[in-house]
Amino acid sequence: DLQMTQSPSSLSASVGDRVTITCRASQSISNYLNWYQQKPGRAPKLLIYDASTLQSGVPSRFTGNGSETDFTLTISSLQPEDFATYYCQQRRTFGPGTKVDIK
Amino acid sequence: QVQLVESGGGVVQPGRSLRLSCAASGFTFSSYGMHWVRQAPGKGLEWVAFILYDGSDKYYADSVKGRFTISRDNSKNTLYLQMNSLRAEDTAVYYCVKDREEELVLYSFENWGQGTLVTVSS
Repeated sequence: DLQMTQSPSSLSASVGDRVTITCRASQSISNYLNWYQQKPGRAPKLLIYDASTLQSGVPSRFTGNGSETDFTLTISSLQPEDFATYYCQQRRTFGPGTKVDIK
Repeated sequence: QVQLVESGGGVVQPGRSLRLSCAASGFTFSSYGMHWVRQAPGKGLEWVAFILYDGSDKYYADSVKGRFTISRDNSKNTLYLQMNSLRAEDTAVYYCVKDREEELVLYSFENWGQGTLVTVSS
């Protein structure tokens, strides 16, 4: 069965910081990788699909990269509204999440 | 704009049944595959079930196979999840989710409802 891992599991950062989250698949998944943002008490929001395509309406400070087994989500300059938990996902499997909070 | 509104959650005893509904609007419901995704309190996301746009194909997570049934009524723009033989580990917020493209199975969760909480407890 496919397994998705994320690192780190949590991080503390400041507004304006560049933040990178890594997602690894246990087998090659080509570019079939999506990223979601979830704030407390809210439903997740699709940020990036197919590893690097920005969902409509998502700020350009979010970028996705990678293919096969290794993927990254980068926030170029962290904004106050970006403090949240981020999940990667491939088909039926989600990663465990990375919580980004304020330093 | 796309709206997905879940209902039917609540507190139920182990072994009992519950049916969730999701009222869809703002898009051509009959053209999109739909999913249920759940999240246990304080935990991560778990995909539960999928139904093709016309209801002709359905898929389930192993954890719910044989107990849950996904269905849809395209004339009413409504998605359902019939949950039988409920267990404590089914306690979660259940989200109704629209796939990203018409008539395809992408597992790309573009639009989410606000969720409905199901608590299985005696």
